[in-house]
Amino acid sequence: KQEVTQIPAALSVPEGENLVLNCSFTDSAIYNLQWFRQDPGKGLTSLLLIQSSQREQTSGRLNASLDKSSGRSTLYIAASQPGDSATYLCAGDMDTGRRALTFGSGTRLQVQP
Amino acid sequence: NAGVTQTPKFRVLKTGQSMTLLCAQDMNHEYMYWYRQDPGMGLRLIHYSVGEGTTAKGEVPDGYNVSRLKKQNFLLGLESAAPSQTSVYFCASRPRDRYEQYFGPGTRLTVT
Repeated sequence: KQEVTQIPAALSVPEGENLVLNCSFTDSAIYNLQWFRQDPGKGLTSLLLIQSSQREQTSGRLNASLDKSSGRSTLYIAASQPGDSATYLCAGDMDTGRRALTFGSGTRLQVQP
Repeated sequence: NAGVTQTPKFRVLKTGQSMTLLCAQDMNHEYMYWYRQDPGMGLRLIHYSVGEGTTAKGEVPDGYNVSRLKKQNFLLGLESAAPSQTSVYFCASRPRDRYEQYFGPGTRLTVT
């Protein structure tokens, strides 16, 4: 069974700190990996998508990497701000038929002002 | 361009009642998905569709049915609601030739 794991489940950091969120997956035959942000009671906002042929993607203060051989992806957030407080979900497309996503359970981030 | 919309936003049902959740997208996407999210967990795939008139089971399909009569709409039905179906339901869509999925705002369903 394909699984996606996110560690830690929760993280609290002071404002301005650089931080890394981790995501691991069991199937190295991954097509792409997507990082989402979810605010409490809200839907999912796509942050970055890394295709299997890519190693990383950047958007502003966010950088996501993908290492298929080790089954890991990381989301790097530079100079964190209180507005970054949210739950971050990673999800992998590892099914050839469905092209659906397998989600991790998320990392809840709190950035303290 | 509204993206992916879901109706209703909130609903409370009694055990045994039925209801239909509507997902609509205006991006002409071929693929559509229904996921559920339970507290402290990631999203799990219920059913999906790769095109108009087609549907298929996902990871947790029991107790749900779906229909895709029009390309822009994907309906999720609960024939006889159970408390275990209390959850937040998300719809998503994507084009056939691109990988990024676009999500709706969710429907919060409580079954008492």
